[in-house]
This record gives sequence, C-alpha cells and structure tokens, in this order.
Amino acid sequence: EAGVAQSPRYKIIEKRQSVAFWCNPISGHATLYWYQQILGQGPKLLIQFQNNGVVDDSQLPKDRFSAERLKGVDSTLKIQPAKLEDSAVYLCASSLGAGGIIETQYFGPGTRLLVL
Amino acid sequence: AQSVTQLDSQVPVFEEAPVELRCNYSSSVSVYLFWYVQYPNQGLQLLLKYLSGSTLVKGINGFEAEFNKSQTSFHLRKPSVHISDTAEYFCAVSEIQGAQKLVFGQGTRLTINP
Repeated sequence: EAGVAQSPRYKIIEKRQSVAFWCNPISGHATLYWYQQILGQGPKLLIQFQNNGVVDDSQLPKDRFSAERLKGVDSTLKIQPAKLEDSAVYLCASSLGAGGIIETQYFGPGTRLLVL
Repeated sequence: AQSVTQLDSQVPVFEEAPVELRCNYSSSVSVYLFWYVQYPNQGLQLLLKYLSGSTLVKGINGFEAEFNKSQTSFHLRKPSVHISDTAEYFCAVSEIQGAQKLVFGQGTRLTINP
C-alpha cells in the first residue's frame, strides 16, 4: 500500500515570495491533516479536512496561508507571502476518517521549507 | 487547552540498555495519549496509544508506555534498545471530547551508542 506522498521534498525561497506544497493521502482516507514542524518543536496542526470540508483551521494563519482539498483527495497548502518564521517542515497526514482522533494518522515524509 | 512536556530533549544510551523517555501532560479534561517515532528522513509513525482500559500499553518494536493519571504522565520504555531505535520520539495528547486534535511535545532525540 502506497503511503502519503508529498512534494516537493525541499524548497528554498526568499521572503515575500509564494510557495505551494502538495499532498496525496493514502487511497480511501477521508481525513487529511497539514502540520507545521519548526526546528526543535513538535508538529502543530494547521488545518484538518474531512473529505473536502474543513474541520479545524483554528491555527492556520489565514492572512498568508491557504489550503484546499478539491474533490476530497489530494491537497495543496500555499503560503503567500512567506516570512522568515515560516521556515519549517510541513507534514501531511491522513487517516481513514470514520473514527475521529483515535484513528491512526499516517504521515508523509514532509516538505522542508527554508525562507531566506 | 492541553499541553505536553517531554522532559529530556536528548537521551543517549548504550545498545542493549533499557531506556525511559519521559512525558507529562496538562489538561482539564480527559485525554487520549500517543507516542510517535520519527526515523531520519521519514514521516512520523505511531508507536502506541492509550485510549482506555489497562494503563500499560504495548506498542510496536518492543516499546511500552504506562498511563499514570495521578502524575499526569505517559512515559515510554523499552527494556533493551537497538541501534535501529535511534530516532526522534514525540508524545502527543488529544482531548477525548471537544477539540479532538493532536498536541505534540517538543520531542526527545534518542541516540543509541554501540
């Protein structure tokens, strides 16, 4: 079974530029999560989708971050414009979706973003 | 809101020695507890989780954790570690009701020396 796919794996941009990350969850998984992991910290949830609807985006900086999950499958996370403090690893995870938080989340390898 | 504190940022141990990675949480409501492992250049992988029932939870790769409600702890243990256990370990908590989302600790880097 293929795991969660993310691309690109690495990205370097200058501040005020825009960037987009892509995630393809495990086939059949209804719930998709985006996390931000700053160096030396644990992952922080940015946004959670159930199919193509948003369940929780309370920690997403909506002035610069946006995310979508069209057709309830793959998802993109965009930052526009980027700031230095956005340098982090962006993790995508998915779960089957029927059981809520007790379901196992499967994580992708992440996209490492460096903002100069 | 809940929070997680992992008391050690780095833990070096020798191969075949026992190890304990400490995790304390804070929450005003009942919680679920999780341990995840992140091997170099890989995504996070679930080691084990406590949902209810027995306070001693067994996970993959020989790891186990014990939920202690009075001490609000969920320490991870392994009786004998291998080189392959070198990784970053994250403790996480989620409210049982209300805002169900994983709140992670800052991680503990486990280094196994031969």
